[in-house]
Amino acid sequence: SAVISQKPSRDICQRGTSLTIQCQVDSQVTMMFWYRQQPGQSLTLIATANQGSEATYESGFVIDKFPISRPNLTFSTLTVSNMSPEDSSIYLCSVEGGLEGEKLFFGSGTQLSVL
Amino acid sequence: SQQGEEDPQALSIQEGENATMNCSYKTSINNLQWYRQNSGRGLVHLILIRSNEREKHSGRLRVTLDTSKKSSSLLITASRAADTASYFCATDPDKLIFGTGTRLQVFP
Repeated sequence: SAVISQKPSRDICQRGTSLTIQCQVDSQVTMMFWYRQQPGQSLTLIATANQGSEATYESGFVIDKFPISRPNLTFSTLTVSNMSPEDSSIYLCSVEGGLEGEKLFFGSGTQLSVL
Repeated sequence: SQQGEEDPQALSIQEGENATMNCSYKTSINNLQWYRQNSGRGLVHLILIRSNEREKHSGRLRVTLDTSKKSSSLLITASRAADTASYFCATDPDKLIFGTGTRLQVFP
């Protein structure tokens, strides 16, 4: 199993500012996934980050709003840009694992509140 | 996009009782997984059942899968207060898509 360190664990931000969330994995992985969980809701995939190429964004998410970096095989960042109260959510990074890579291992999440 | 619908949305039981959660999905799958989330933190993988399996056990967990009805159930036997969490099913026609979740509260 992979161990994922995610930070910050929580933050309170002002409208219009940006926050960068970091995710560090204890082993090299090809893909890292970023999810958003709005209050009381399920997880929605934002994008998939591959090392050495641009992230692949899901419908409804754009690079200008959620720029992602993937400088190496163990690290990724997600930035939430020009924040509004609607961005208040838990943001989670994850990687595939298990014998056939079918399971997801998650970081502890970043609880973001935008005022 | 496909999303699992879970039932019930919330469940409250006493310690020692069994808890059953159900998940329904819409299209064909390769496997179905269950995850637990404590207090809005990261999810933890519990169990995976493949489309050609009907039942699987792991400790106090029992998962069933009925592909003809496109449904799955998660049974937690002899529940404990520490089982209090949200439980999500996830299916993978392509990439994992998570269900709406069941919030389980186990009272001591």
